[in-house]
Order: sequence, then structure tokens, then C-alpha cells
Amino acid sequence: KAGVTQTPRYLIKTRGQQVTLSCSPISGHRSVSWYQQTPGQGLQFLFEYFSETQRNKGNFPGRFSGRQFSNSRSEMNVSTLELGDSALYLCASSWNLMNTEAFFGQGTRLTVV
Amino acid sequence: AQTVTQSQPEMSVQEAETVTLSCTYDTSESDYYLFWYKQPPSRQMILVIRQEAYKQQNATENRFSVNFQKAAKSFSLKISDSQLGDAAMYFCALNIIQGAQKLVFGQGTRLTINP
Repeated sequence: KAGVTQTPRYLIKTRGQQVTLSCSPISGHRSVSWYQQTPGQGLQFLFEYFSETQRNKGNFPGRFSGRQFSNSRSEMNVSTLELGDSALYLCASSWNLMNTEAFFGQGTRLTVV
Repeated sequence: AQTVTQSQPEMSVQEAETVTLSCTYDTSESDYYLFWYKQPPSRQMILVIRQEAYKQQNATENRFSVNFQKAAKSFSLKISDSQLGDAAMYFCALNIIQGAQKLVFGQGTRLTINP
């Protein structure tokens, strides 16, 4: 069974640009959540989708958005990039509503210059 | 709101010895899961062990075990017979059972294994 796949693995963008990151969950998993990891703030929850509906959103500005498709694949978008958006973005999937465990992808390393 | 605190930024242990990583948490919920995740240099977060809050018995996975003290809101990870491959960042995390998936992580403990 394939794991969680995140693309691209690395990305370099310029301030002011926008970026879209993709996450394909494990087959059969309907929940996809996104996390931002930085040395200063650690791991912070961005948002979570279940069956194409956003169920929860973290404390991030509106420049951060996401969506989930009918096949459970998810994308997150960051508009008007700032230097502080440089981070490792991790996606996790889980199969049920009981949040028993989340399986993570290898992340996308975003660098904003 | 949930919080998770790991008070040990770094730990080191000799290969084959035992090490314990500490974690405390706070939540007003009664039903939740606690996790230890390992993040090696490859960056992928790997689940090490899971504990259901309603279970009194401490979880064990091979060389990894936890000491779960619900009243004290403490959740430590013991690694026995440490191996070089155990070197990584270890994160303690909390997730309530019902509702949206939202892991709350501690700041992490960097574990070094000395040969």
C-alpha cells in the first residue's frame, strides 16, 4: 500500500508569489490534515479536511487555504508569500473519524527568497 | 485548548542503554489519544507508539514503551536497548478522539545515540 505522497519535495519561490502544494493520502483514507514545521514555532496545525469538507482550521492568516477533492487528494495554497512562510509543510492522512493515528508524508520544503 | 510540553530539548544515550523522554500535556477533554512520533533526518514523521486515554495499561511496541499517568497528565517514552537508528527528533502529540483531526505537538526532543 502506497504511503502519503507529497509533491513537490522542494520548492523555491519569491516573495509575493503564490504556491500550491499537493498531498495524496493513503488509499481509503478520507481525512487529510496539514501542518507547518519551522525551527521557531515547531509543528503547527493548518487545517483538516474530511470528505471534501474543512472540519478545522488553525490560527493562520487567510493567505493559507486548502481544498480536498472527491478522491481525497488535497492541495494547500499560500498566496502573497512572505519570507516567514519558509517551512516544511507536512501532510497527514487518517482513515476514520476517531483520529486513532495519522500517517505523514515526507513533506514539502518551501523556501521563500 | 490543548497543550503539550517536552522539557528536554536534547538527550543523549549510549548505544544499548535505556533512555526516557518526558512529556506533559493539558486538556479538558476526557477522551483523547497520545502519540510519540519520530522524525529522522529524512523528515518523515513516523508513528512510534500510541496510547488511548481510556486504557489504563501502558502501551508497548517492542523496545518502546510508555508510562502514562493520566491524573498527572504525563506521558513519557522509554526506549530500551537503544540503537543507532533510534537517533532522531521525537515529538509527543495529543489528539482528541471526537471531532476534527488536529494533532497538537510538543517542541520535540533531539535524541543522540553514542556508539
